[in-house]
Amino acid sequence: GEDVEQSLFLSVREGDSSVINCTYTDSSSTYLYWYKQEPGAGLQLLTYIFSNMDMKQDQRLTVLLNKKDKHLSLRIADTQTGDSAIYFCAESNGKGDDKIIFGKGTRLHILP
Amino acid sequence: DAMVIQNPRYQVTQFGKPVTLSCSQTLNHNVMYWYQQKSSQAPKLLFHYYDKDFNNEADTPDNFQSRRPNTSFCFLDIRSPGLGDAAMYLCATSRERGGARELFFGEGSRLTVL
Repeated sequence: GEDVEQSLFLSVREGDSSVINCTYTDSSSTYLYWYKQEPGAGLQLLTYIFSNMDMKQDQRLTVLLNKKDKHLSLRIADTQTGDSAIYFCAESNGKGDDKIIFGKGTRLHILP
Repeated sequence: DAMVIQNPRYQVTQFGKPVTLSCSQTLNHNVMYWYQQKSSQAPKLLFHYYDKDFNNEADTPDNFQSRRPNTSFCFLDIRSPGLGDAAMYLCATSRERGGARELFFGEGSRLTVL
């Protein structure tokens, strides 16, 4: 079955870059997503990438996709205290009634 | 303003005592989802409604039911909660199914079973 794996914790110093990694197993994954969950709030879509792309950049966020290795990463440049949250990787195959499969989430902790 | 609202935020129930969680949306989205999230686990899809069409996941226990009386509201009923049902329950909506789509989540309802 489909599976999405990511490490549970990451600590980064304020001002450094954060790189959150994710691997997935479904070779038919068409869309790959990053969601952010701040304390006490619901998950919120940050960005997504279509499987025929290998990179997407949006301000401080860069998404890299290695489709051959089924590896997705989210890079946050110049990490700020407001970036402290749980980041969820997710995938879907984009078909009619497909479901979005989530990873367990990576908790990003910002060190002063 | 919150677009997907879940109530209650915290629910405590006794073993075997039925509980209902509610979700409302102001987005007029066609699809509403219920996810279960246990500590340090991935959100797990229980079921979803596409308009009035109910879609149950194959591994969702019979103990979990859902109702969608109108576009705006969706309920999660747990008929006989067990200790293993203690979790955060997340409601989400999307405009349509399939394709690249954004899920809009509520803040969740945390269920404790005593």
